[in-house]
Amino acid sequence: QVQLQESGPGLVKPSQTLSLTCSVSGVSITSNNYFWNWIRQPAGKGLEWIGRIHGRGNTDYHPSLKSRLTVSIDKSTNQVSLTLTSVTAADSAVYFCARTVWPTHYYDFWGRGRLVTVSS
Amino acid sequence: EVVMTQSPATLSASPGERVTLSCRASQSVDSNLAWYQQKPGQAPRLLIYRASTRATGLPARFSGSGSGTEFTLTISSLQSEDFAIYYCQQYNDWPPFTFGPGTKVDVK
Repeated sequence: QVQLQESGPGLVKPSQTLSLTCSVSGVSITSNNYFWNWIRQPAGKGLEWIGRIHGRGNTDYHPSLKSRLTVSIDKSTNQVSLTLTSVTAADSAVYFCARTVWPTHYYDFWGRGRLVTVSS
Repeated sequence: EVVMTQSPATLSASPGERVTLSCRASQSVDSNLAWYQQKPGQAPRLLIYRASTRATGLPARFSGSGSGTEFTLTISSLQSEDFAIYYCQQYNDWPPFTFGPGTKVDVK
């Protein structure tokens, strides 16, 4: 059974760096078949895809976040990481990790999400 | 960027009713459209992909249709567990793959 679980600080100060980890179980994240995505949802709002990484390491980012966002994988721990620099209140959201199966691009497995608040 | 719109924003219905949710794309996305259900405090759940294919284990009361720019999600007989927010998502044109703003189905 595939499971994803996000973890990381729930509070980040403005201008600092937001870092989250998605722990994946039940499947190898380095498989050619999968992309691992980060999607966020501000309170009371809709869903926004922000970035992804292929099991072989290729990345894609939302154009509006490309300069601040890094997604990486750690093969040894089967984890996917997100780093977002220079955060503002607008980056406050629930952050989800989710899987897509190549060559499709819908999200078949999701983590429960991690609420991150940007505040001093 | 493909802009997705959904209507209505809120749909009030009673258990047992047939409900239809609409999703429109600003340009053709072929049949590359998915539907998700989200309940409070939970992650979204994949319901439908390729516009009309039900995800594994999804009850047959859920059905999807459409192609190009117009799509619908129909729940043939609304159950108590179906009250939730429903999002559509296009995965034809990127970056980025985009979601609609959602339709909330609540109790009449």
